[in-house]
Formats: sequence, structure tokens, C-alpha cells
Amino acid sequence: AQKITQTQPGMFVQEKEAVTLDCTYDTSDPSYGLFWYKQPSSGEMIFLIYQGSYDQQNATEGRYSLNFQKARKSANLVISASQLGDSAMYFCAMREGGDMRFGAGTRLTVKP
Amino acid sequence: DTGVSQDPRHKITKRGQNVTFRCDPISEHNRLYWYRQTLGQGPEFLTYFQNEAQLEKSRLLSDRFSAERPKGSFSTLEIQRTEQGDSAMYLCASSRDRRGAGELFFGEGSRLTVL
Repeated sequence: AQKITQTQPGMFVQEKEAVTLDCTYDTSDPSYGLFWYKQPSSGEMIFLIYQGSYDQQNATEGRYSLNFQKARKSANLVISASQLGDSAMYFCAMREGGDMRFGAGTRLTVKP
Repeated sequence: DTGVSQDPRHKITKRGQNVTFRCDPISEHNRLYWYRQTLGQGPEFLTYFQNEAQLEKSRLLSDRFSAERPKGSFSTLEIQRTEQGDSAMYLCASSRDRRGAGELFFGEGSRLTVL
């Protein structure tokens, strides 16, 4: 069963504006971790941000923040002040125990 | 520390041949993962190891796929009797053993083309 759902195949955002990429997940394990990765056209997977299921505050890393709504099982990524270099595929992932599963991804395009 | 390395970076083979990929994780990482990724899709989990123990294997993985990590360091992924549908990027990643936390560090991948 699909445990990570990203419903936006593609998103467009104007340079310097903020954008939210959606992610919902499904688990019955009380302890889990949520991750976002960026994959530019060059192909490497770049870790962006992490949120633990017991963390009380939303994670932030520079221009990235994670809007964690535990009851709704959502972990949306917010990118502020978009830059042209943010154009890439973005993957949400969940780790339960040892393994980590990824969503299908969202392709973000930043317009100048 | 040079990160996760994978070899070969590219492999072209004929249908029916066997191929083997190697992954060298970051040295202090005891978890190692294999994923398969096709164009425009997310990484699909194949299997993972904690030290030399293979702890989980995807049910989608056919018996033609096998992975080993004999000494808890490098790992190999072998595909026997390759099929055209096996064409994909095979990604290796490693992490520290930390429940719920500990991001994966990915290699650059091994691209397989089956003719």
C-alpha cells in the first residue's frame, strides 16, 4: 500500500515567491521520521529537512520549513523566496524503523 | 570521507545477461539501502541492510534480484537474466543506525540499460 502521497505532479512558482509542496503519509507506528529530498536534473538526491514524529515544533532549515500536521498526517514543504536553482524534483519520504519509502515526487519549476 | 560511491556508473547489457552493481557506503554508516528509480518516478525501495544482515526486501523484488553485504561494508546488487523492464537507475544510500532520524546519503547511481 502506498504510504507516501504527493498529489502535485508539477508546480510552478514565480521567482522570489513562496511555494508549498504537499505530502501526506500513512502509518500506525507512533515513532517515525519525515524527510524531504531534492533531485535536480543532474540526478543527485539532496537531503533538505527532517521532522520527527515526536517533535513539537515544525522543522526549519534556511529557506525550507516543514508544515507538520500530525493529526492530518501531512508534512508539507514550504520554500520561501524561491530561486531559479530551486527548479527540481522534490520527494517526500517516511522512515519507520529501518526502511525509508518515497513518494512519487513533485516537479517544481521556478519562473523568472 | 568521499561519500557513497557506486560502480559502474553506466551499464549496457543484452537481455538475459547477469549484471552486478557495487556500492561503498560512508565508512561509519551501518545501514545500507538499495533503490530503483525510473524516469519521473520516486525511488522504489528494494532492500536494506543493517551491518551484514539483510533486514527487509521488497515483495515486488523478483527472485532474479539478490543483494549481499558480506562484511558489513560494501554491498553488491546482482540482477540475473536481465529483462528490458529492469532498465533503470539503481541508487545506493547509507545512514547511521538511528530510529526515526538519520537522513540517507545517496550515491550518484548506476544506470542500467537492457537492450
